[in-house]
Amino acid sequence: DGGITQSPKYLFRKEGQNVTLSCEQNLNHDAMYWYRQDPGQGLRLIYYSQIVNDFQKGDIAEGYSVSREKKESFPLTVTSAQKNPTAFYLCASSGLGGRYEQYFGPGTRLTVT
Amino acid sequence: DAKTTQPTSMDCAEGRAANLPCNHSTISGNEYVYWYRQIHSQGPQYIIHGLKNNETNEMASLIITEDRKSSTLILPHATLRDTAVYYCIVRVATKGNTPLVFGKGTRLSVIA
Repeated sequence: DGGITQSPKYLFRKEGQNVTLSCEQNLNHDAMYWYRQDPGQGLRLIYYSQIVNDFQKGDIAEGYSVSREKKESFPLTVTSAQKNPTAFYLCASSGLGGRYEQYFGPGTRLTVT
Repeated sequence: DAKTTQPTSMDCAEGRAANLPCNHSTISGNEYVYWYRQIHSQGPQYIIHGLKNNETNEMASLIITEDRKSSTLILPHATLRDTAVYYCIVRVATKGNTPLVFGKGTRLSVIA
């Protein structure tokens, strides 16, 4: 099946620990994105990458880091510097060109206590 | 990207058409209108997009006014599974990709 996979679906961590969320796509898409969603709110952009080895900060990049070493993979690390890391994290990808729709993964729900 | 305005919530009877409005009065000539929906605790799902002509696919129809300042997403026969938050997004068409900017959307409740 073609699509975007995110793992794990639920993740629990202790405060002060870094945690890396996985995102893989087999759609041959050039661009990939990470969004964060808090309860009752819309999605907010954390980071995005248009090509391998390049990425840009979104609106709420502080406390997060990413890498894009392969076209298929765009992992997100939530560092201990992120003050409120508990949230629903969504990964997406799209082909080049603004008219191409974004496809989203199923999300990872991170809880930090 | 132009901003959009949507009602916070709407109800629709099962089997009836659901008409979801969106205002985008500052839209530019090269901006597309996209609609996505998000069922609870899932990733958003693409529904449809258009530039200036009306569009239809297996999920919905998109009606864009002639001046392009507003649009309506139509679900012709709403079912309980259509209960979701619907996002109207305006996006510049460029060579590279621009991320989608999500507002709070419209929470559609389909009622039996």
